[in-house]
Amino acid sequence: GNSVTQMEGPVTLSEEAFLTINCTYTATGYPSLFWYVQYPGEGLQLLLKATKADDKGSNKGFEATYRKETTSFHLEKGSVQVSDSAVYFCALISNTGNQFYFGTGTSLTVIP
Amino acid sequence: SQTIHQWPATLVQPVGSPLSLECTVEGTSNPNLYWYRQAAGRGLQLLFYSVGIGQISSEVPQNLSASRPQDRQFILSSKKLLLSDSGFYLCAWGFEPMNTGELFFGEGSRLTVL
Repeated sequence: GNSVTQMEGPVTLSEEAFLTINCTYTATGYPSLFWYVQYPGEGLQLLLKATKADDKGSNKGFEATYRKETTSFHLEKGSVQVSDSAVYFCALISNTGNQFYFGTGTSLTVIP
Repeated sequence: SQTIHQWPATLVQPVGSPLSLECTVEGTSNPNLYWYRQAAGRGLQLLFYSVGIGQISSEVPQNLSASRPQDRQFILSSKKLLLSDSGFYLCAWGFEPMNTGELFFGEGSRLTVL
């Protein structure tokens, strides 16, 4: 079946620290991979995506590379800001279906 | 532009009572529609999705059901609520092909079953 596993949170970092949130997946076929973000008091929104192996998605200083050999899509940012405090969800959709599967979410708090 | 609306935003219901959560999408045609439940520590759980009127796929067998009576309307229901049905329910829509697109989420409905 299809599933996504994210690192456990919560994560607390100081401003300008390096961020990594791990995500691995299990999927049939060749999935597309996504990171969604949920800022406090707001709905989920797409942060970045990658639709095939070795693609790199990027947005707002965040990056994630689709690694087929390790079935991973880790989220990284070189220097986090207080405004990056949010819950981050890794997600996938198989190319053979219409179901989006999400991970459990990782809460990030950035302190000044 | 497209918008998605869910209601009610907050609901407190006794165990054994029925449930109806409604979701509508405006500004688009023939969207794929989804119901998710967001529970603490469990992330987003896919409950149902629909690719067209009357077409419902269930991901998890449980006390809930879904219906799509119109192209842009998606309803989540229960005949008798359980305590375990408490949670935050999110409706979402997307365009085909889904694997290159994204999901757009509603504001959510918080259900508390007492």
